[in-house]
Amino acid sequence: NAGVTQTPKFRVLKTGQSMTLLCAQDMNHEYMYWYRQDPGMGLRLIHYSVGEGTTAKGEVPDGYNVSRLKKQNFLLGLESAAPSQTSVYFCASDFTGRGNSPLHFGNGTRLTVT
Amino acid sequence: AQKVTQAQTEISVVEKEDVTLDCVYETRDTTYYLFWYKQPPSGELVFLIRRNSFDEQNEISGRYSWNFQKSTSSFNFTITASQVVDSAVYFCALSGYSGGSNYKLTFGKGTLLTVNP
Repeated sequence: NAGVTQTPKFRVLKTGQSMTLLCAQDMNHEYMYWYRQDPGMGLRLIHYSVGEGTTAKGEVPDGYNVSRLKKQNFLLGLESAAPSQTSVYFCASDFTGRGNSPLHFGNGTRLTVT
Repeated sequence: AQKVTQAQTEISVVEKEDVTLDCVYETRDTTYYLFWYKQPPSGELVFLIRRNSFDEQNEISGRYSWNFQKSTSSFNFTITASQVVDSAVYFCALSGYSGGSNYKLTFGKGTLLTVNP
């Protein structure tokens, strides 16, 4: 039972490069989320999805795009990476989306932009 | 707007000491949920507990206990007889209604707990 799987685990990019982070969940959850974690900032929501084919902006969406073509996958894209996007990225999923159930998190992706 | 404040940025204790991590929240919702997550040095986020706004009963799970007080908008977390394995960043989070059918989860900035042998 894999839960939420993120790939890759680590990545180094140069400013201006692009990349896609992949999140896959095998729990048939409708709701999926992308967070970033920065020192002293806690976790901040980037984008989220309430079901296949849907996406919505979170608290810090600028510079990121997302897609949810399949229910089990939620992709986070950086079109032109900037040093300010150096962070640890967490994907999470949730069955109800009604705030009453805990999120299931992936193990994170550490991204460094030089 | 909702807000979660964890005023303690870092706490350092010696093994076997009791330690309390503070969490104060702000929300206008009457129905909301509070969570604690643990992030050990390995980096994953582990769910510890959930409380809804209508249940003010304190909870104990082994060495862990949680004190929820609506009157002071606090949801504090106590570790009794701390152990080195308790060393981690602990996040308090609040889930409240954000419109439509959506709930918004807001995290505090976390408290780094270091338990020294």
